[in-house]
Amino acid sequence: EAGVVQSPRYKIIEKKQPVAFWCNPISGHNTLYWYLQNLGQGPELLIRYENEEAVDDSQLPKDRFSAERLKGVDSTLKIQPAELGDSAVYLCASSLGLAGTQFFGPGTRLTVL
Amino acid sequence: DQQVKQNSPSLSVQEGRISILNCDYTNSMFDYFLWYKKYPAEGPTFLISISSIKDKNEDGRFTVFLNKSAKHLSLHIVPSQPGDSAVYFCAASAGFGNEKLTFGTGTRL
Repeated sequence: EAGVVQSPRYKIIEKKQPVAFWCNPISGHNTLYWYLQNLGQGPELLIRYENEEAVDDSQLPKDRFSAERLKGVDSTLKIQPAELGDSAVYLCASSLGLAGTQFFGPGTRLTVL
Repeated sequence: DQQVKQNSPSLSVQEGRISILNCDYTNSMFDYFLWYKKYPAEGPTFLISISSIKDKNEDGRFTVFLNKSAKHLSLHIVPSQPGDSAVYFCAASAGFGNEKLTFGTGTRL
């Protein structure tokens, strides 16, 4: 069974540019999460989806970050414009329902110059 | 405010010996705890979990102990193997669910 797929794996952009990350969860997993992981820190939840509905986006900086999960499967996380402090690893995870174990993708490492 | 703390950034153990990784939490609402393992350039992988109604959970070489009064949990790996070298994250949630995990900063073994 394929795991959580993320692309790109690495992205280097200049500040003020837009960037987007894509996530394909494990087939059948209706719950999808986006996390931010700074260097030397643990993952921090940005947003959680139940199917296509964002049920917890309290930690998402909405002035520059946006996310969508059309049709309740794939998801895209966007930053516009990117700032130097956005350099981090962006992780996507999925689970089978709220009580299910979260399975993580490999992450996208973003470097903002 | 770090609600889940892993105070040892790194730990070195000889092959065959026991590895003990520690985690402390401050939020008394946490009732479900997990350990994730992370290799470089990969996402975290679920290892083992424990709910607050238990004080011990065992899975092969991995055992997690929970001390609710001390708000402390530990992961024991016996015997330690070279493939266990990774970063280990402690995570906690409230409500016997997995939906909102708060992670520690990790310990590199």
